[in-house]
Amino acid sequence: GAVVSQHPSRVICKSGTSVKIECRSLDFQATTMFWYRQFPKQSLMLMATSNEGSKATYEQGVEKDKFLINHASLTLSTLTVTSAHPEDSSFYICSARAGGNTEAFFGQGTRLTVV
Amino acid sequence: AQSVTQPDIHITVSEGASLELRCNYSYGATPYLFWYVQSPGQGLQLLLKYFSGDTLVQGIKGFEAEFKRSQSSFNLRKPSVHWSDAAEYFCAVGGYSTLTFGKGTMLLVSP
Repeated sequence: GAVVSQHPSRVICKSGTSVKIECRSLDFQATTMFWYRQFPKQSLMLMATSNEGSKATYEQGVEKDKFLINHASLTLSTLTVTSAHPEDSSFYICSARAGGNTEAFFGQGTRLTVV
Repeated sequence: AQSVTQPDIHITVSEGASLELRCNYSYGATPYLFWYVQSPGQGLQLLLKYFSGDTLVQGIKGFEAEFKRSQSSFNLRKPSVHWSDAAEYFCAVGGYSTLTFGKGTMLLVSP
């Protein structure tokens, strides 16, 4: 299957700083990328959907000013957690889908710890 | 609204025994159904998917799942479990839009 690379796999940051997570589709063009958040022992909760070249669509309850999503190219989407707080500590996973294909391929996830 | 229920939070199976993980869904149209596996600290790996056609779907690692429309179910099965199958398993439903995931079932394999 297609490969989606997420970077970094782990990051620790200080409270109040911002962290950027990258999601890249390595061997296909991803017109749509999804960002999920997973709390310990919980399922994946969709945060936002981004289409290349347009603004992301955020799910209800997700602060768009806190979780900035950019999908500037067909192979890269970024999630920036701004002014991070300890409660933002979580596992963030992206997935990418080529246009017209219902299967989305997942990155390996990023473990964010805010101290 | 679409939803997925995985009634078992965790299941323990002896190595070599058979496995069935349950998944029930609610969806307004013909669903696309998926099973993913997640090892600790890792992303998700697709085991198998159902879009249409034969209701018994074969996947990787010896897994299969059967779509039963009348029961709104898509249970995952494996005839003989290996210790390396210990992981968390997620059922998901979706269309051409986003996926909705169940809460997952943690599979423990005992020797």
